[in-house]
Amino acid sequence: GENVEQHPSTLSVQEGDSAVIKCTYSDSASNYFPWYKQELGKRPQLIIDIRSNVGEKKDQRIAVTLNKTAKHFSLHITETQPEDSAVYFCAALTGGGSNYKLTFGKGTLLTVNP
Amino acid sequence: SAVISQKPSRDICQRGTSLTIQCQVDSQVTMMFWYRQQPGQSLTLIATANQGSEATYESGFVIDKFPISRPNLTFSTLTVSNMSPEDSSIYLCIALFGGEQYFGPGTRLTVT
Repeated sequence: GENVEQHPSTLSVQEGDSAVIKCTYSDSASNYFPWYKQELGKRPQLIIDIRSNVGEKKDQRIAVTLNKTAKHFSLHITETQPEDSAVYFCAALTGGGSNYKLTFGKGTLLTVNP
Repeated sequence: SAVISQKPSRDICQRGTSLTIQCQVDSQVTMMFWYRQQPGQSLTLIATANQGSEATYESGFVIDKFPISRPNLTFSTLTVSNMSPEDSSIYLCIALFGGEQYFGPGTRLTVT
């Protein structure tokens, strides 16, 4: 089955700096890669996603890149702010029809210091 | 979009008892999943809830411990049976709808 590795497990940056979180996946059939932000005590919230037919996607300060050949994808946050502090999870979706599976990485605790 | 609710939102249970968690979606969805998120950990798939047939369990999870029902396209239940303190976790229902994933608010379970 699919295995998603996420690094680093913790990341501390100064406000205004950039943050990069990387994930690798094992199943070349995975075709959808979402990123979630989870604040303490809350459910994960989708912040950006990318499909396997796209190499890069950007939404304001957040961008995601995908390298299908190397089977890795990354989350980039620019001009970080203290409210970006949270746990971020990457995930990979495998399957189709009536047989889907969403596999999560172990998460990255991002701390943005003011 | 879809809105998912879960009941109960939290519970404290005694060792050896069972708890049934309900997941209700306001739209008919193709896929419903049950995940567990232990304290400080990632989300681990317990099983896919299949409408009208037995759930599909992931390695390490068995039907006797986590029986699941899905009587229709908007509702599913997960039972945590014969609980032990190791079952203390957040249990999340996730639905796929319109190509997107929707998360339930989670059920925080503490087993004493």
